[in-house]
Amino acid sequence: DAGVTQSPTHLIKTRGQQVTLRCSPKSGHDTVSWYQQALGQGPQFIFQYYEEEERQRGNFPDRFSGHQFPNYSSELNVNALLLGDSALYLCASSENGQTNEKLFFGSGTQLSVL
Amino acid sequence: GNSVTQMEGPVTLSEEAFLTINCTYTATGYPSLFWYVQYPGEGLQLLLKATKADDKGSNKGFEATYRKETTSFHLEKGSVQVSDSAVYFCAPFPSTYGNKLVFGAGTILRVKS
Repeated sequence: DAGVTQSPTHLIKTRGQQVTLRCSPKSGHDTVSWYQQALGQGPQFIFQYYEEEERQRGNFPDRFSGHQFPNYSSELNVNALLLGDSALYLCASSENGQTNEKLFFGSGTQLSVL
Repeated sequence: GNSVTQMEGPVTLSEEAFLTINCTYTATGYPSLFWYVQYPGEGLQLLLKATKADDKGSNKGFEATYRKETTSFHLEKGSVQVSDSAVYFCAPFPSTYGNKLVFGAGTILRVKS
């Protein structure tokens, strides 16, 4: 079992550009959550997808959007990148309705905005 | 909503020293409490949990007790190893349905041999 896989592992963009990050959940998981982890901070919840719809959303602007595909994989899109978007982006998967002990995290995508 | 205050790091200890990482929280209702660990270059892993007052979570020699009266969930280990070097996050989970974890800022632990 490959667990949660994220791609790419590292990415460098410039201000104003758009970026797409990808996540494949652990086998058997149907729910994907995205978190932003700034340097020296704890992860902040961005949103969660289930059944191809956004189910919950944290305090992030509309520049952050996502998508979930029928195979449960997910994308995180960020438009009009700002320097402050530089962070580690973590994907976590779970089975719907499970508590957090069933939450599995990927290793993340390190995004640098120059 | 929930919030978490964690002990500031980095915490630097020698091998076999005693570890305490403080965590206090504010929450509505009666949250479950979690400690996650992030090893270098990896994602977060659940270390231990407690779901109600006075519960003690334990794993890999780490322990934490859910103290409702002081709203605390301090992480302890009697004898740390170099392999315990990582970032530790305290996280209350709300009692309402959903997978929205609220993490503390994290505490870096460095263990020297």
